[in-house]
Amino acid sequence: DTAVSQTPKYLVTQMGNDKSIKCEQNLGHDTMYWYKQDSKKFLKIMFSYNNKELIINETVPNRFSPKSPDKAHLNLHINSLELGDSAVYFCASSQTGITTDGYTFGSGTRLTVV
Amino acid sequence: DQQVKQNSPSLSVQEGRISILNCDYTNSMFDYFLWYKKYPAEGPTFLISISSIKDKNEDGRFTVFLNKSAKHLSLHIVPSQPGDSAVYFCAASALNSGGGADGLTFGKGTHLIIQP
Repeated sequence: DTAVSQTPKYLVTQMGNDKSIKCEQNLGHDTMYWYKQDSKKFLKIMFSYNNKELIINETVPNRFSPKSPDKAHLNLHINSLELGDSAVYFCASSQTGITTDGYTFGSGTRLTVV
Repeated sequence: DQQVKQNSPSLSVQEGRISILNCDYTNSMFDYFLWYKKYPAEGPTFLISISSIKDKNEDGRFTVFLNKSAKHLSLHIVPSQPGDSAVYFCAASALNSGGGADGLTFGKGTHLIIQP
């Protein structure tokens, strides 16, 4: 039973399109995140949601919008896709105050904008 | 500005020997450090962590050492096994919690290759 699952695993789309990536966690964690791994392999945080509230937004363009219908889901919507958005996007979750296990990551969505 | 640095993009070690992966950080507010392991086409998986109040944490073949004065930590794997071949990410948190809502800051990763 996958703890953090994200779909799709691969996404190829044209510039200017709008797309969504879905993420679900079944661990009962109270915080979910989106990370971006760019071509230089850096993993950088984009958003985190705690109890349906956006906690941080690391200078991400407003074309990116997280949507959390409930504590177990954090979807990522991207409008007007650009070539530079091509990357691997990872969803993750954690439980605030639990220090031993860090984050649990999904397997990633490889987005290619052509 | 990289707050967490892994200066070795890759490391090759013979099976059975010790693997030592290094990580440096610049933010003195970091108080929790983690190592993640990543295989191709998979997400990072948590390996081991250490709080800033400790200088060593051991879990089986994996040991993490923290030198706060040098702002340096290292991951030791002994003995190294073929299945240890992966990319290892060092990460740090400034919230006194490894799972804090403020997120983790990651290094660029070191690709560990275990030679048979």
